[in-house]
Amino acid sequence: KAGVTQTPRYLIKTRGQQVTLSCSPISGHRSVSWYQQTPGQGLQFLFEYFSETQRNKGNFPGRFSGRQFSNSRSEMNVSTLELGDSALYLCASALRRGSYEQYFGPGTRLTVT
Amino acid sequence: AQTVTQSQPEMSVQEAETVTLSCTYDTSESDYYLFWYKQPPSRQMILVIRQEAYKQQNATENRFSVNFQKAAKSFSLKISDSQLGDAAMYFCAYRSAYSFGETSGSRLTFGEGTQLTVNP
Repeated sequence: KAGVTQTPRYLIKTRGQQVTLSCSPISGHRSVSWYQQTPGQGLQFLFEYFSETQRNKGNFPGRFSGRQFSNSRSEMNVSTLELGDSALYLCASALRRGSYEQYFGPGTRLTVT
Repeated sequence: AQTVTQSQPEMSVQEAETVTLSCTYDTSESDYYLFWYKQPPSRQMILVIRQEAYKQQNATENRFSVNFQKAAKSFSLKISDSQLGDAAMYFCAYRSAYSFGETSGSRLTFGEGTQLTVNP
């Protein structure tokens, strides 16, 4: 069974631009969560999607948004990029909300210059 | 809001020895799950072990075991017979057992991490 895939793996953007990251969960998994990992703030929850609806949101500005498609694939978008948005973005998939285990993807490394 | 604290930024252990990583958490909930995740240099987060708060018995997975002290809100990870492949960043994480509400669902709250070095 294929694991969680994230594309692209690496990305370099300029301040003010916007970016879209993609996450394909494990086949059959319907919950997708996103996390931001930085050296200063550690791992922080961004949002969770289930059945194409955002179910939970972390404490991030409105520049961070996401969506989930009917095949459970999810995208997150960051508009008007700032230097502080440079981070490793991880997504995790689970069978359903509250499932015992979540499986993480390899992450997308975003660098904002 | 729940918080997770790992007070050891770095730890080291000799190969084949035992090491214990510490984690404390704060919550007002009575039902929750606790996890230890491993993040090697590849950055892939890997689940090491999990513990349900309602279970008094400490979880064990091969060389990995936990010491769960619910009253003290403590959740330490013991790695026995340490191997070079155990070298990684280890994160303690909390998840509510409730399905609804702001802190529920699949949301994980992570500690700061402990960088484990295994010396040959």
